[in-house]
Amino acid sequence: DQQVKQNSPSLSVQEGRISILNCDYTNSMFDYFLWYKKYPAEGPTFLISISSIKDKNEDGRFTVFLNKSAKHLSLHIVPSQPGDSAVYFCAASVYWNYGGSQGNLIFGKGTKLSVKP
Amino acid sequence: ETGVTQSPTHLIKTRGQQVTLRCSSQSGHNTVSWYQQALGQGPQFIFQYYREEENGRGNFPPRFSGLQFPNYSSELNVNALELDDSALYLCASSLAARTGGNTEAFFGQGTRLTVV
Repeated sequence: DQQVKQNSPSLSVQEGRISILNCDYTNSMFDYFLWYKKYPAEGPTFLISISSIKDKNEDGRFTVFLNKSAKHLSLHIVPSQPGDSAVYFCAASVYWNYGGSQGNLIFGKGTKLSVKP
Repeated sequence: ETGVTQSPTHLIKTRGQQVTLRCSSQSGHNTVSWYQQALGQGPQFIFQYYREEENGRGNFPPRFSGLQFPNYSSELNVNALELDDSALYLCASSLAARTGGNTEAFFGQGTRLTVV
């Protein structure tokens, strides 16, 4: 049973427009969420994260929104650039105390974003 | 550049053999996690090591084992390889804080293992 779901395998947007990538989760224990970007032949690169005590976090062109009641988060990229073309993974974890593990990330299957010039 | 390096980058093994994959953590990080990414899937958590001890394990059989060394580098060992073990194996390092939680995990480029 998938605890983190990215229901859109792919997304295509025009350069300069907004890209919106969606992610749903089922485990209400998750309280920390991350987005990673992955290019072919490279490992995932951390993009942005959000704690469950917030509903929005912004970093430059990237904004993550969290709707806890709907167990849904989204990543907005504005404006989209061709270099943003990659696979985007949503990940969730439980941010527990000392000696515990925030590193135990549960990933979705990813969404392949293509930004066309 | 994340500073997390993995070796080798590619490997071909025969079913039934054993394999060791290596990971060098980012400087200052004390926690290493290993993930398996099958084709078309997201990474799946195998286990994590914190200060040389296993600190969490995913749904993987005991033939997947690991080590973390005093310099926080790590190994993933897989015995009795099966065809389904063919995947990209990712190592991620992070820093566990004494007050709780970790920094974000930084990934290496992965080792592509093919079992034939």
